[in-house]
Amino acid sequence: DIVVTQSPDSLAVSLGERATVNCKSSQSVLYSSDNKNYLAWFQQKPGQPPRLLIYWASTRASGVPDRFSGSGSGTDFTLTISSLQAEDVAVYYCQQYYSTPRAFGQGTKVEIK
Amino acid sequence: QVQLVESGGGVVQPGRSLRLSCVASGFTFNTYPMHWVRQAPGKGLEWVAVMSADGRDKFYADPVKGRFTISRDNSKNTLYLQMNSLRLEDTAVYFCARDAPYHDYWGQGTLVTVSS
Repeated sequence: DIVVTQSPDSLAVSLGERATVNCKSSQSVLYSSDNKNYLAWFQQKPGQPPRLLIYWASTRASGVPDRFSGSGSGTDFTLTISSLQAEDVAVYYCQQYYSTPRAFGQGTKVEIK
Repeated sequence: QVQLVESGGGVVQPGRSLRLSCVASGFTFNTYPMHWVRQAPGKGLEWVAVMSADGRDKFYADPVKGRFTISRDNSKNTLYLQMNSLRLEDTAVYFCARDAPYHDYWGQGTLVTVSS
């Protein structure tokens, strides 16, 4: 089974500053036949279901502001919020969908400093 | 628009059973695999189970294997999760989610509380 680990567990960033969340999988999630990384990022606010932000490691979902970006390949991935806004306070999760079980990272709580 | 609406949650004693439902609308249900994901209070997301679009294939997370059964009725656009032999640690909000193959749409969730 693939294990997914995020870092840090939490971070506090000033408004307008950059926030970076890391995600590491225990095995590569790059599928050789289509050259795609089977890795997604989600945002979850209290009392709400998760919201898809990024899929294929770097493709923004519909309606997601362009301050959110995803990068990485193979086993190491990053979610970057280029200029943190108040509405970005949330817990962020990565998930591999390369194989079952579909493991999530443990989550990273992003707060305002 | 795509909608997923879960129901069936509630308070149940350890060892008892519960069946969750997820009614889908706004898309061709029988062409998408569907998942259950849960979240214990104050904890992270935990993938639970998946069923293929035609209902032939299903996979489970180890903690629920042998106790939970995922199923679907494509004529009713509904996904189910039959939960037997419930344990205290099964207490969580249960979400259904579409497979695209990433989880592009989620329901609002239904709370299952296992308590004596």
